[in-house]
Parts: sequence; structure tokens; C-alpha cells
Amino acid sequence: QLQLQESGPGLVKPSETLTLTCTVSGGSISSNNYYWGWIRQPPGKGLEWIGTIYYTGTTNYNPSLKSRVTISVDTSKNRFSLKLTSVTAADTAVYYCAREGNIAATGTGAFDIWGQGTMVTVSS
Amino acid sequence: QLVLTQSPSASASLGASVKLTCTLSSGHSSYAIVWHQQQPEKGPRYLMKLNSDGSHSKGDGIPDRFSGSSSGAERYLTISSLQSEDEADYYCQTWGSGIQVFGGGTKLTVL
Repeated sequence: QLQLQESGPGLVKPSETLTLTCTVSGGSISSNNYYWGWIRQPPGKGLEWIGTIYYTGTTNYNPSLKSRVTISVDTSKNRFSLKLTSVTAADTAVYYCAREGNIAATGTGAFDIWGQGTMVTVSS
Repeated sequence: QLVLTQSPSASASLGASVKLTCTLSSGHSSYAIVWHQQQPEKGPRYLMKLNSDGSHSKGDGIPDRFSGSSSGAERYLTISSLQSEDEADYYCQTWGSGIQVFGGGTKLTVL
């Protein structure tokens, strides 16, 4: 079955760039039926959508983070990545990647398969 | 603006039923949502998609104890025969115009 696995540094210094990768296994990232997204969850708080990418490279971002976020896709390696620039302590969170339905193809435009998450702490 | 509102907490006794609510913002009462469950120290798990007419489709392996219903702008998740493992945070999510929106989550305590 399809699985997603996040990877990347667990500690990032303030003002630097956070970079995470999500590797998809058990299925192709190049499917017409799905998008691929990043979501984060600060300690003790709720879920916040960061952004989404289609295998063609088309992206959508949370307006509140858009100026600092870049999501890219590497179809040859079946993975997609997140870059978040100029991080502060407020960016400390568990970061999840997830599969998002293409509503035109699946009838659902929400996340239906999640990675296990990776904790990223912003601290000097 | 597309917003989902959830009560922060709920509680019910072991073996009983509980109904959690997710409310869509004004002008968005026709939107479908999905429900996710997040058990302690785990990642979220997709439970079901819930349409405005109350029809719903559950994810693989989701027990029959979980069901959904709708009324106007409200979307409900009902869990019957509560078990200890149902103690978790429950999030609703919807989408539109290229954005994804999560509710604030409801923390369910099983007494």
C-alpha cells in the first residue's frame, strides 16, 4: 500500500532554511489522481496546511506562509520537498507530508494518506 | 472566508456514543468535509469523507462504529460503543479554491 516518509534535519537554526523531503513508496507520485501536500502541527496545537504540489509542478500555498515556502517535486525519485526560509521558533512543529485527492478525479480534495511526521525544532 | 469551527473538547463514557460537530462558515454550507483521527503521539488518520447530504465514505479499515451525518452547515462524526482507543483528537478538513482548511480539533476523552 502507499506510504509516505518524511526526512530531514530535526534541528534548524533561526533565520536559516528548513528543508524536508517526502518519499512516496508503493505508488507513483505522477498519478493524475492526486496532489501531494505538507502540513505542520506545533507542539500542543492543531494542524496547519502549508502547501500542495501536483506532479507537473503546479503548487498552491497557504497565504500566511506563501512568501517563505517553496514546494518542489522530483518524479524520477518519487519524492517531493519543502523549503521554508527565515525560520523562527514559531516554525517549531511536527511536519507531515500527505496525499491529497484530485477532486476532479477522485471526488475528494482532502488528505487521505499521511506520513508519520517528523519533528523540527528551531533553536540556536 | 472558509472556516471550520469545532468545540475544543468532548467526553463520553466507555461503551456510550458521542457526536462531534464541525461547523462550516457562512456561505459554505454545501461543502463536503473529511474527518481525521489523531491518537496520542501519532500522526493523523483519515476516517471518512462527509457530504452535505449526509452521505459518507469511510477509509479502509475504519470500524462501523464511526459514522457521519450532516445538517445545514454542520457536519457530525458519531462514534458508538466507545472504546479506550477512541480517545484522540478529531479534526475536520475541507478544501476550496486551491486551499485546504482544518478545524481547530476536538479532544475526545473516554471516561
